[in-house]
Amino acid sequence: SQQGEEDPQALSIQEGENATMNCSYKTSINNLQWYRQNSGRGLVHLILIRSNEREKHSGRLRVTLDTSKKSSSLLITASRAADTASYFCAAPEGTSGSRLTFGEGTQLTVNP
Amino acid sequence: NAGVTQTPKFQVLKTGQSMTLQCAQDMNHEYMSWYRQDPGMGLRLIHYSVGAGITDQGEVPNGYNVSRSTTEDFPLRLLSAAPSQTSVYFCASSPAGVSVEQYFGPGTRLTVT
Repeated sequence: SQQGEEDPQALSIQEGENATMNCSYKTSINNLQWYRQNSGRGLVHLILIRSNEREKHSGRLRVTLDTSKKSSSLLITASRAADTASYFCAAPEGTSGSRLTFGEGTQLTVNP
Repeated sequence: NAGVTQTPKFQVLKTGQSMTLQCAQDMNHEYMSWYRQDPGMGLRLIHYSVGAGITDQGEVPNGYNVSRSTTEDFPLRLLSAAPSQTSVYFCASSPAGVSVEQYFGPGTRLTVT
């Protein structure tokens, strides 16, 4: 079963706007990871947030984690056409497992 | 470093044929994994390995075999290809299991007719 589930499935915005994607997970975790996938390419790691962190920034990316609600969000500020991609969250199964499970992703389209 | 490499990039098989998808990494990572991605979907874990000589099943292991004789290589074998195995296959590695970021290869697009 999927540990991470993204919402929305698709998001279309204009350049310059902010994009927010949400991820919910089922079991306790020690970290949650976000990846980007450009069309036809492999996945690229964006940010990893640990269970004892509430917020993390990397450039125009901001990730939050709410362990009480078992949810995370990825905010891309001042979006660009080059941000058009699919975004996935991934979470380990449990706090000591060796399996990483991915959500089905959010397809973000940024219109110039 | 070349990172994670996968060969071939594309492959077409007939039902019942077997083949091996190759994955190699030159970062001395202990953890390696195989995922499949079907159209419009996320990645599903097929098999993973926490080190040379150690492999374990993921979410969708049926129809696939793996072995890990060296740290660098983690081949995925399709025993008897079926149309349901048409997918894009990604290999990934990391230095410390699933507690750190995963490094992905570019993928192998497999079509089974």
